[in-house]
Amino acid sequence: NAGVIQTPRHKVTGKGQEATLWCEPISGHSAVFWYRQTIVQGLEFLTYFRNQAPIDDSGMPKERFSAQMPNQSHSTLKIQSTQPQDSAVYLCASSLDFEQYFGPGTRLTVL
Amino acid sequence: GDSVTQTEGLVTLTKGLPVMLNCTYQTTYSPFLFWYVQHLNEAPKLLLKSSTDNKRTEHQGFYATLHKSSSSFHLQKSSVQLSDSALYFCALSGITGNTGKLIFGLGTTLQVQP
Repeated sequence: NAGVIQTPRHKVTGKGQEATLWCEPISGHSAVFWYRQTIVQGLEFLTYFRNQAPIDDSGMPKERFSAQMPNQSHSTLKIQSTQPQDSAVYLCASSLDFEQYFGPGTRLTVL
Repeated sequence: GDSVTQTEGLVTLTKGLPVMLNCTYQTTYSPFLFWYVQHLNEAPKLLLKSSTDNKRTEHQGFYATLHKSSSSFHLQKSSVQLSDSALYFCALSGITGNTGKLIFGLGTTLQVQP
């Protein structure tokens, strides 16, 4: 079992560019979560899918951020017109029940 | 709303000493509490979990007891090791009435010195 896979591990974008982050959950897990980690805010929930359906996006910034799960093997988080304050580590987690398994994260740096 | 409070940002200890990292929570749901540990440049990993009131749960020498009366789930270890140096997060989910997302505290960095 390879665990949760996230690509790329590091991404640098210029202000105003688009960033797409990928997550491959553990095979068989029905839920996929996205979190954002910064030094100041800690770990913040962004959005969540269960059986590919969006369940809760209460943590997503209303503008510029979107997430999809087109099939059971991957989810994407897209940030349009990136801003310096979007710089963070974006973590994906998957679960079968209450226990969430995290990927290594994508470190996004917006210059 | 739901929240988790970890009062210590940094705890520095000498190897072999006991440690307690504080965690309190607020929720309207029936709570499920977790401790995650994150070593430098690694993913958070589950250390402990509990939804049972007043029952001690243990793993890898760490232990915690969920006390619903005081809304607490403090993490303890009787003798810390150098390898325990890491960032520790307390997190909350709900057994019912919650979509499954985790609400995290800000984390406590544990530094163990020789």
